[in-house]
Formats: sequence, C-alpha cells, structure tokens
Amino acid sequence: AQRVTQPEKLLSVFKGAPVELKCNYSYSGSPELFWYVQYSRQRLQLLLRHISRESIKGFTADLNKGETSFHLKKPFAQEEDSAMYYCALSGPGGYQKVTFGTGTKLQVIP
Amino acid sequence: GAGVSQSPSNKVTEKGKDVELRCDPISGHTALYWYRQSLGQGLEFLIYFQGNSAPDKSGLPSDRFSAERTGGSVSTLTIQRTQQEDSAVYLCASSLVYEQYFGPGTRLTVT
Repeated sequence: AQRVTQPEKLLSVFKGAPVELKCNYSYSGSPELFWYVQYSRQRLQLLLRHISRESIKGFTADLNKGETSFHLKKPFAQEEDSAMYYCALSGPGGYQKVTFGTGTKLQVIP
Repeated sequence: GAGVSQSPSNKVTEKGKDVELRCDPISGHTALYWYRQSLGQGLEFLIYFQGNSAPDKSGLPSDRFSAERTGGSVSTLTIQRTQQEDSAVYLCASSLVYEQYFGPGTRLTVT
C-alpha cells in the first residue's frame, strides 16, 4: 500500500531562516512525488514535482530513495511562504491514484 | 479554460437532513477525487473515480456517505442523515495524468 507521512502538523520559523518540511513515503517501486500548497483563502495547487527537478518560489525537493524521503526545502523563509503544505505520491506513468499526506502548516514569523 | 467548480459554495443544514454536493471537473479529466478538510486539519481522502468507476472508496467514513460520477464528468457526493461531525470543507479535484486541479470547495455546516 502507498503511504505518505508528514510528521509535523505545524512548523514555525523566523523570516530569513531555513525551512525544511519533512515527507516520508512508502511505496513498492518508483513513485512520482509532489508537493502541493494551499495559501490562505486560495485553492490547493501544485508547487512542484520531483521529476521536473525545478525550483519554484525558491523551494526545492530532492527524492532520496534510500531514505524514502522527499523533504521540501528553502534556504530563507519569507512571510508569504506561510501556508499549508502537502506531500503527495502516485505510481509511475501517471493515470493512477494520488495519495496525500496529512499536511504541515508552515508559519513564518516576521 | 474553466477550472474545477463545486456547488454550492456554502451549505448549512440541520442535523439528520441529507445533502448533495456537486463537482464539475475540468473537461477531459478522467480522474476525480473527493477530500474533506475539517477545521485545522489536513486533507482526508474520501473517494477516487477513474472514469465512472470508483476503484477506491476506502476513505468514505461511513455508509451515510456515497458518491457517483456520470458520463465520466460530473460527480455528486451525498451525505445522508448528516451529523455535526460532518461539518467540514469538501474538496473535489480532477486530473488527467499527474497534476490534480482542485475546486474551491463546499463548506458544509451541520447545525
């Protein structure tokens, strides 16, 4: 069974401090991994996919198959990063069910 | 193009009444998902459709909850005999390959 674990419900950091949102997964094979974000009063939306290996809004995420982790990182937090972040997983090749973690609320303190 | 839409945006109902929540996915998206967000909580998976069939209904909390999808498009989530603990925001999302596109949600309040 596929499973996504986000161990922190809430993460508070000061503006300018580094951010790391943790995500661990369980999957037999090579999954596709994603981070979604929900800003206040906005729709949940895709932030980034591991396969694209891009940086969005200064965030990056590296897939570590040995540790089965996909942590989201940003070197310097901004107040506008305050939001709810969800890690998600699906099987390879697309067209498959996506499983979300329970989410981490990031609070950036000015 | 038009995104995922949901109706109603807000629904207040009395305990014990039935409610129907509607989701209009993006045209051509084969997968459709229902989730629930309770106050201060994360995303709770309810049900997943691929076309008109539901290969995974494991998230439905009780037999008071049911969902259907017709014509590979519109989906309806029905909650019978609503309870106060059903109060939440119900989110719908659709996808074609990978990315899920979310609707604005229906806020359900059971009084």
